[in-house]
Amino acid sequence: AQSVTQLDSHVSVSEGTPVLLRCNYSSSYSPSLFWYVQHPNKGLQLLLKYTSAATLVKGINGFEAEFKKSETSFHLTKPSAHMSDAAEYFCVVSDGARGNKLVFGAGTILRVKS
Amino acid sequence: KAGVTQTPRYLIKTRGQQVTLSCSPISGHRSVSWYQQTPGQGLQFLFEYFSETQRNKGNFPGRFSGRQFSNSRSEMNVSTLELGDSALYLCASSTRGLEETQYFGPGTRLLVL
Repeated sequence: AQSVTQLDSHVSVSEGTPVLLRCNYSSSYSPSLFWYVQHPNKGLQLLLKYTSAATLVKGINGFEAEFKKSETSFHLTKPSAHMSDAAEYFCVVSDGARGNKLVFGAGTILRVKS
Repeated sequence: KAGVTQTPRYLIKTRGQQVTLSCSPISGHRSVSWYQQTPGQGLQFLFEYFSETQRNKGNFPGRFSGRQFSNSRSEMNVSTLELGDSALYLCASSTRGLEETQYFGPGTRLLVL
C-alpha cells in the first residue's frame, strides 16, 4: 500500500533564503508523485508532478523536486523564498498505471519571515 | 476555461441530517474525485467517478455516497451526519483519472452541530 511521510509539519525560513520541504513515500508500483500547495481558504494547486520521465522536475513559481528511488524521497526545493510562498504544502502519491487512489501527506506549513 | 466549482461554499447542519454537495468539473474532464480535509485526519480520498461510474473508493463508511451525471457533474451525499463529519470537502477533476494532475475546487465547508 502507498504511504507518504512529510518529515516536517512546520518549516520557517527568511525571505530570500532556500526552501526545503521533505517527503518520503512508499509504493508497491511505479508511483506518480505530486506536490500541491494550499493557500488559506483556497483549494489545492499543483506545483509539480513526477511520472518517470525525468528525476528532476521543475514546477511553477521556481519550485523543483528530485525523485530519488534509492531513498524513496521526493523533496521540494526553491532557491529563494518569497513572502507569497507562505502556505501549506502537500506531497501526494498515486500508484502509477493503476491510479486507483491518491494518498496525501500530512502537510507542511511554510512560514516566510521578512 | 472555467475552473472547478463547488456549491454551496458553506453549510451548517445538525446531527442526523443528510447533506448533498455539488461539484462541476472543468469542461472536458470526465474524472471527478472527492476528498475530506480535517485538522485531525488531514486530506483523505473519498471516491472517484468516471463516466458516471464509481471507479475507486477510499475507506469511508457507507453513509458517504456519490454519483456522477452524464455531463460529468458530480454530487456527494452524507447521510445521518455526525459531529466528526465537520470538514472541508474538496472536489477535483481531471481528464482521465487519479494518475493525472487533479484540478481542485475551492471546497465546501460543512459544520455539523
